[in-house]
Formats: sequence, structure tokens, C-alpha cells
Amino acid sequence: QKEVEQNSGPLSVPEGAIASLNCTYSDRVSQSFFWYRQYSGKSPELIMSIYSNGDKEDGRFTAQLNKASQYVSLLIRDSQPSDSATYLCAVATSGTYKYIFGTGTRLKVLA
Amino acid sequence: SAVISQKPSRDICQRGTSLTIQCQVDSQVTMMFWYRQQPGQSLTLIATANQGSEATYESGFVIDKFPISRPNLTFSTLTVSNMSPEDSSIYLCSVEGAGAHEQYFGPGTRLTVT
Repeated sequence: QKEVEQNSGPLSVPEGAIASLNCTYSDRVSQSFFWYRQYSGKSPELIMSIYSNGDKEDGRFTAQLNKASQYVSLLIRDSQPSDSATYLCAVATSGTYKYIFGTGTRLKVLA
Repeated sequence: SAVISQKPSRDICQRGTSLTIQCQVDSQVTMMFWYRQQPGQSLTLIATANQGSEATYESGFVIDKFPISRPNLTFSTLTVSNMSPEDSSIYLCSVEGAGAHEQYFGPGTRLTVT
């Protein structure tokens, strides 16, 4: 059974701090990794995609991938109350669109 | 990214009936996907719908319960048949994005079965 695991949280951070969200996956042949943000009552919104080991930065967001250790993380710098949401990690097997989603981490940024 | 709409946005249905959910995209896409998100849970892929071929269903989902149509490159429907309260969920369609294996989601259909 292929699995993607996330800490459900809530993860509470003060405004302006760095929020660190982690995700581990079980399928070693996974090749594509995605972070989605989902506000309550809304659909998931793609934030970042990452395919190679290392860091990928986009604005206040940095995705980190370590295939050897089978984890992917998302850092949010200068966290804002508007970042409060559930963050979903999704993993796709090589060459496919078949996503397996984690259960999500609820982030609360405290003003 | 593509603009995706779904109809209806929400519905309350009686047990034993069926509901057809529509997904419309503002650009042509080869691959569309249907997901279910049960209350308080994450997303589960129901099926992949490619234009011109039969939908491919994931383990635990069958065509008789969730028939899918994909008549063209901008439209798809998912029918939830013979509904029971356990089918109460949010149903989302998604489409392939510009990046490798990226997906973008529609706004979802919130279904309640009584």
C-alpha cells in the first residue's frame, strides 16, 4: 500500500516566523511531488511542484526534496495569517498523474 | 492555469437517487480526473477520464456506481448512482496543468445524501 504521511497538526506559528511542513512517502519510484494549499470549504490550490533533490524556491515558499530519505518539505517564510490553511502533500509515481495525497497538515498563523 | 467550473456547487439528494456532476474547462485538456474528499479527510482519486477512451477507475471504485463521460476535450461528467449517506462527500474534478504532471482543481461539488 503506497502511503503519504503528514502530521495532521495543527501547527501553530507566530506571524513572521518560518513554518515548516513535512511529508514522507513510501513508494521509492515516486518522481513528482506537489504541495497544495486548501482553505476551509475551498478546493486545493497548487503552490509548488518539485521533481529533483534539493531546494526549489518561489517567493516565500521553498520546497525541499530528499529522495534517499523519502521526504519532501515545505517552508513558508514570513508567515502571514492568510497562510492559515491545510497543506496537502501529493506524490505521483514516475510518469503518471496518479496522485496519492497525504491527509494534510493544518497550519495556524497567529497574529 | 485553466479556469475550471463545476455544476452543481452543492446538492442535497435522497438515498437511492443519482446525481450527475459536470466539469467544464476553458481550454482543451487531454486528461481530466475525478476525486472524492470525504468529510475531514484527504483526496482520493476515483478515476482518470481521457477523451476518446473509457475512464480508468481506481481500486474500490466501479463504473456502475460512478459512470463517467468525456465527450470532448473541455467537458466531463461524473454520476454518483444509487446514492447512500456514505456517498456524502465533496467531489472534485481536476485537469492536467502546464508543468510536468501538475493538476489544477475545480471548485468542487458538495453532496449530501439523506
